[in-house]
Amino acid sequence: DSGVTQTPKHLITATGQRVTLRCSPRSGDLSVYWYQQSLDQGLQFLIQYYNGEERAKGNILERFSAQQFPDLHSELNLSSLELGDSALYFCASSVEATRTDTQYFGPGTRLTVL
Amino acid sequence: AQTVTQSQPEMSVQEAETVTLSCTYDTSENNYYLFWYKQPPSRQMILVIRQEAYKQQNATENRFSVNFQKAAKSFSLKISDSQLGDTAMYFCAFMSRYGGSQGNLIFGKGTKLSVKP
Repeated sequence: DSGVTQTPKHLITATGQRVTLRCSPRSGDLSVYWYQQSLDQGLQFLIQYYNGEERAKGNILERFSAQQFPDLHSELNLSSLELGDSALYFCASSVEATRTDTQYFGPGTRLTVL
Repeated sequence: AQTVTQSQPEMSVQEAETVTLSCTYDTSENNYYLFWYKQPPSRQMILVIRQEAYKQQNATENRFSVNFQKAAKSFSLKISDSQLGDTAMYFCAFMSRYGGSQGNLIFGKGTKLSVKP
């Protein structure tokens, strides 16, 4: 158990819908990262937050957005869902936003878009 | 842009034997970090080992060790005394210390390792 929690574990929804994925980082960690794992794209970095502020963006679609709240939990919002958005979404956390920190991953949320 | 390549999509090893997983990467940076993560059937991403590029000594964690060849941009993972619980997908990952990326991981496509009894 990494100490990073993600809810829900599984999510099944229809095309065009909107969903919210939630992540709670390890106690004391200020930085949260979101990754998408799909069969065709592999593991890709989406976005990073540090202490409530956006720090870096990767291959995140405009239909996707995220935020980190004062209690440091983070939410990833996916809207206008398409079949291709079906994937495993991971949240990871680290203590700081420096590049020396090891990232610890949550168990992931499996999203299925029908 | 940095890239990570794992040339072995699948490998298998007998229990108690030793296996080496390959990883190469491309970067123009001098200081960076490399990682191996394990993803068992449960899908959890588990850190196996970490290597700082400025350290010449190869990292080890119990039965896991790396062979870091900086000039060749190679970072292989050796698993000794393989156990059934080592069956998993193994991902090599790169983390920059500089530039626009703030510390996100760049992953290879993975190597699926099967440990056979």
